Amino acid sequence: GAVVSQHPSWVICKSGTSVKIECRSLDFQATTMFWYRQFPKQSLMLMATSNEGSKATYEQGVEKDKFLINHASLTLSTLTVTSAHPEDSSFYICSANRVDTQYFGPGTRLTVL
Amino acid sequence: DQQVKQNSPSLSVQEGRISILNCDYTNSMFDYFLWYKKYPAEGPTFLISISSIKDKNEDGRFTVFLNKSAKHLSLHIVPSQPGDSAVYFCAATQGGSEKLVFGKGTKLTVNP
Repeated sequence: GAVVSQHPSWVICKSGTSVKIECRSLDFQATTMFWYRQFPKQSLMLMATSNEGSKATYEQGVEKDKFLINHASLTLSTLTVTSAHPEDSSFYICSANRVDTQYFGPGTRLTVL
Repeated sequence: DQQVKQNSPSLSVQEGRISILNCDYTNSMFDYFLWYKKYPAEGPTFLISISSIKDKNEDGRFTVFLNKSAKHLSLHIVPSQPGDSAVYFCAATQGGSEKLVFGKGTKLTVNP
């Protein structure tokens, strides 16, 4: 099956710093990738749609200036959490579509102290 | 307003028996449904899907049933195995959109 990787798998940072999370499609090209976050015992909430070569589309309520998305190539999308605060601590997951199926990365656990 | 609902947060089943996971949706425009399996600290893994033109799709031990009139789908796992223990998410999409709407998940525990 298709493989989507994320890096890092976990990160701990101080409040006020920025954190970058990478999402790569390893064996296919993806013009569109998605970024989700998941709080404990909650569903995956779509944050934004990352479009190769153009601006990301953010879901309602997601601050685009706080969660910067860059989709610079057909295999890489990055999510930067700027000026992170403890409430940004969450599990961030990316995904990419191949044919009719969305494949997910392993996720990144962000803890902001 | 949750468009995809999984009302059972957890389910416990004996090994070898059938597991039935349920999912309800409110948006009648949804036309494609997927089930994902997720282990702790990992991303979801695609399991099985069904289009709204069908009412059943089977893949090995996994069968998904769709009842459009009731806006209900279910995932049957038979026989259940301890390795099936995970959180199962139901997801839906519409009109060929790649955007998925997820339920909150049901934690399945299969006891040996």
